[in-house]
Amino acid sequence: QVQLQESGPGLVKPSETLSLTCTVSGGSVSSGSYYWSWIRQPPGKGLEWIGYIYYSGSTNYNPSLKSRVTISVDTSKNQFSLKLSSVTAADTAVYYCATSRGYFDLWGRGTLVTVSS
Amino acid sequence: QSVLTQPPSVSAAPGQKVTISCSGSSSNIGNNYVSWYQQLPGTAPKLLIYDNNKRPSGIPDRFSGSKSGTSATLGITGLQTGDEADYYCGTWDSSLSSWVFGGGTKLTVL
Repeated sequence: QVQLQESGPGLVKPSETLSLTCTVSGGSVSSGSYYWSWIRQPPGKGLEWIGYIYYSGSTNYNPSLKSRVTISVDTSKNQFSLKLSSVTAADTAVYYCATSRGYFDLWGRGTLVTVSS
Repeated sequence: QSVLTQPPSVSAAPGQKVTISCSGSSSNIGNNYVSWYQQLPGTAPKLLIYDNNKRPSGIPDRFSGSKSGTSATLGITGLQTGDEADYYCGTWDSSLSSWVFGGGTKLTVL
């Protein structure tokens, strides 16, 4: 059973770049079985899809975030990563990594990232 | 303002049935599969229904999904206090080229 675990700084300063990693266990990011996604949830609010990457490296991003988002995959470490640049307080959220096959079937526990000076 | 519209809250008594609606358009629900997610307090969302009406292994048949035109519905029968959670619908939007979620519905089991 594939399991996902997010990791990264819990506090990021405004205008800096948020960087998170999702470590995959019980499966391989190179398997081609899934698209590897990032989703976020501001405190007390709903879910927002950020984007996904396929093992081949092809990506698809939410148009509202596209100019600031980069998702990459590291097959040697069995991880995929999120970078979100020029963050503001509006980017404060719990960030989840998830597998997707036309739906999001497996989720990490999520990690809270706060944007504050 | 979410692309998919859900009621903010629904409530019902234990043992009763409740339905949660999700309204969209031809660019999303009308031409793509809908999935539903349950988010218990303080936890990550969990897949409840996929491809409009399919249940993943381990999801009881008290949970059901349906779709008609540009709307989808989640049904929960035999309500339990443990069903108190936020429920989200989601689908792909072909016009936006983006995955979209509803704003979420908070279920209270009175």
